Amino acid sequence: AQSVTQLDSQVPVFEEAPVELRCNYSSSVSVYLFWYVQYPNQGLQLLLKYLSGSTLVESINGFEAEFNKSQTSFHLRKPSVHISDTAEYFCAVSVYNFNKFYFGSGTKLNVKP
Amino acid sequence: SQTIHQWPATLVQPVGSPLSLECTVEGTSNPNLYWYRQAAGRGLQLLFYSVGIGQISSEVPQNLSASRPQDRQFILSSKKLLLSDSGFYLCAWNPPGLGPSIWYFGPGTRLTVL
Repeated sequence: AQSVTQLDSQVPVFEEAPVELRCNYSSSVSVYLFWYVQYPNQGLQLLLKYLSGSTLVESINGFEAEFNKSQTSFHLRKPSVHISDTAEYFCAVSVYNFNKFYFGSGTKLNVKP
Repeated sequence: SQTIHQWPATLVQPVGSPLSLECTVEGTSNPNLYWYRQAAGRGLQLLFYSVGIGQISSEVPQNLSASRPQDRQFILSSKKLLLSDSGFYLCAWNPPGLGPSIWYFGPGTRLTVL
């Protein structure tokens, strides 16, 4: 069975500080990995995804995530956060052989001025 | 273009009342369809998925049921709502033949059971 673990339910951070949101997964088969963001009172938006190739993937707004197969992790990072990054972030895994999509429990990023 | 619709956007229902949430997809055929729920303070949980008309798989036992009467229509129902059914319900679809790397999510329905 597949599962996704987001170790931190809430991450408070000051503006312009770096941040890392942790995500670990378990799967016995190949997976695709995703980060989604949900801003207050809005729907889910795809932030970035890893399908294959380079293990480091980037989003257009400065976030990046690195797929680490040996540690089964896909942590999300940003070197300098903005107030506008305040949102809930979901890590998700899609299993290659099966059309299912599993989410982690989410991490609420609260950027303070 | 491919679009996914959900309605209603918000719903307030009394305990014990029935429920029907609808999801429709445009711009594709034979999509894989999914219902997710986000309860307050919790993550997104896969409730049901369907790979074709009349084919429904349940991920977790619950007070809800799902049906797929048409190729691009997915309905979430309950005969009697419970307080614990409150949450944010998301419909999603996955294009057939492209593998599980592409996903589309609807705008969601926020359900409050009082």
